[in-house]
Amino acid sequence: KNQVEQSPQSLIILEGKNCTLQCNYTVSPFSNLRWYKQDTGRGPVSLTIMTFSENTKSNGRYTATLDADTKQSSLHITASQLSDSASYICVVTLFYNAGNMLTFGGGTRLMVKP
Amino acid sequence: GAGVSQSPRYKVAKRGQDVALRCDPISGHVSLFWYQQALGQGPEFLTYFQNEAQLDKSGLPSDRFFAERPEGSVSTLKIQRTQQEDSAVYLCASSLGRGGGRGETQYFGPGTRLLVL
Repeated sequence: KNQVEQSPQSLIILEGKNCTLQCNYTVSPFSNLRWYKQDTGRGPVSLTIMTFSENTKSNGRYTATLDADTKQSSLHITASQLSDSASYICVVTLFYNAGNMLTFGGGTRLMVKP
Repeated sequence: GAGVSQSPRYKVAKRGQDVALRCDPISGHVSLFWYQQALGQGPEFLTYFQNEAQLDKSGLPSDRFFAERPEGSVSTLKIQRTQQEDSAVYLCASSLGRGGGRGETQYFGPGTRLLVL
């Protein structure tokens, strides 16, 4: 069973609209949670990193929230642009220093239409 | 500045053929990671290097997979006797410090798309 679940799997919105992507995780013990953006044919690019003590983190039009009690995170995109079309991946970091620290969700594929 | 680069970008192999995938991390980055990403899925961990030392290879799916980073910079992921289920994008990432997961950003390369026929 995947320890990081994202929803929806895919989403289509009109340019200029807002949207919210969800991430639920069961990974424990937890160090930090990241959101990555992955354009088609590219590697993931980091958007935000939040520790368990942070509730929110913004990066331009992207705002991530975290509820460590319920183990839920969301990524809110404001005033979407065509260039926001990509996969958004939620990544949870385990609280130990080894290679297999990052657990990736399956991603939400966002398409922004004009 | 230069980011993480990978080569080749695309590779088509016949089943049973050996392949070698190259990763050039950002200069000076201590940690290097390899991931396998199936179509429509998130990346899955394969192996981790700290300088030239392979500290974790728990994600390698079989003994056909082998990775090395002999001088602590460039890394090669080798797949022997490729199978169709090996078809995926292979991503390489690097980070500056030793604890690549703890608060540090991992910088990803564009990936090598492997197709095994």
